[in-house]
Order: sequence, then C-alpha cells, then structure tokens
Amino acid sequence: KNEVEQSPQNLTAQEGEFITINCSYSVGISALHWLQQHPGGGIVSLFMLSSGKKKHGRLIATINIQEKHSSLHITASHPRDSAVYICAVSPNYGGSQGNLIFGKGTKLSVKP
Amino acid sequence: EPEVTQTPSHQVTQMGQEVILRCVPISNHLYFYWYRQILGQKVEFLVSFYNNEISEKSEIFDDQFSVERPDGSNFTLKIRSTKLEDSAMYFCASGISGNTIYFGEGSWLTVV
Repeated sequence: KNEVEQSPQNLTAQEGEFITINCSYSVGISALHWLQQHPGGGIVSLFMLSSGKKKHGRLIATINIQEKHSSLHITASHPRDSAVYICAVSPNYGGSQGNLIFGKGTKLSVKP
Repeated sequence: EPEVTQTPSHQVTQMGQEVILRCVPISNHLYFYWYRQILGQKVEFLVSFYNNEISEKSEIFDDQFSVERPDGSNFTLKIRSTKLEDSAMYFCASGISGNTIYFGEGSWLTVV
C-alpha cells in the first residue's frame, strides 16, 4: 500500500482554469511538502505545511491533519504551470525531517 | 536567490566503476540529503547528513554508497561499484531544521 497517494495521476487543463491536485497519506506526519518537478527533471519546493493554508502567488496549499489530506490549488492556470506536482510527507516518528515519503506525482499539462 | 548546485548534470559510467556525484548546498544550511528517482518511478530518500555524520539512511543506502562533506562547501555521494539498477536521477538537497528543503537540479547517472 502506498503511504502517499495523489490524484489525479494526469491532468489536462485549458489556460485560465482552476486546478486542484489532491494528496492523501496514511502515516502521522510532522510536515507535508508540495514540490514541482519541471520537464528537465529538477525539483522546486513550493510549500511546506504542517497545518492550515499557505498562499504564494497563484498557488494555494491546504492541509487537514485530522483527515490526512492536502490539496494544491492553482488559480488562473498558465501553460508554464505544466509540470509534475509531487506531494511528500515527513513522518513524525522522530527521524530526520528530510526522510520524506514521496507520492508518484501528478502530471499537469495546461493548454493555451 | 541561493541554490543547491549539482555536478555533473549527466554521467555515463561502465558497470562496476566508481562514481562520485557532487553537490554544493546552500551556504548556511546544516542538513544535507540525497534522494534518487529511477526513470518513471517516484523519488526515494537515500540518506540524511548532519553535523558531519549520517543521521538517517534508507534500506537503499547499502554498503556500496557513502557520503562525505570533504570541506566546508561540498557534499558528495559515492557509489563504489555501480550496477545497472543504479541508473537514476540523484538529487541533493539541503535545509535548516524545521524549514523548507531546497533541491538541486539533479544528476542523471546512466550505468551501461
């Protein structure tokens, strides 16, 4: 069983659409990360969350600790948002914060 | 903006050869990590390093792997005797306790 599940696996949107990517996890966590992997392969950290909601530009991330669920929203999507979005969690068993469990990623394609 | 830099960006090596992947973390960061991503699969944690020693490692990080911080700036991953299944993208990352983890662009390793 995957400890971090993302949905959908693939998502195609038209420019301007509102996008939601979901992440569910089965372990207790100290933090949840949303990452962006661009086509060249490099990874960029978008958010680190332990509660509530964070916003950066057109990106919004929310987390519900009780329900073990997080969402990443993109408002007014643009073709440059096309990338793989990865959810990763830091389990709270006391290990290093970088011992992340990664989801398989959601491949987003935004068409002009 | 400060960034994690990795070299080489791509390396092709013969099976059985030793490989060293290099990383320069962000200068005031104290925690250092290596991850790998086999093509088409999710990212996996390899090792975390703090205060000049390994703080945690995964099952993947067996005796053929080692890490070192030989000077004040570099953080290296050595694979002693490469196998075909070591072909992957290797990501270095760094961070400060309780904060965002910053990833490098990755080093593609192809073992032939």
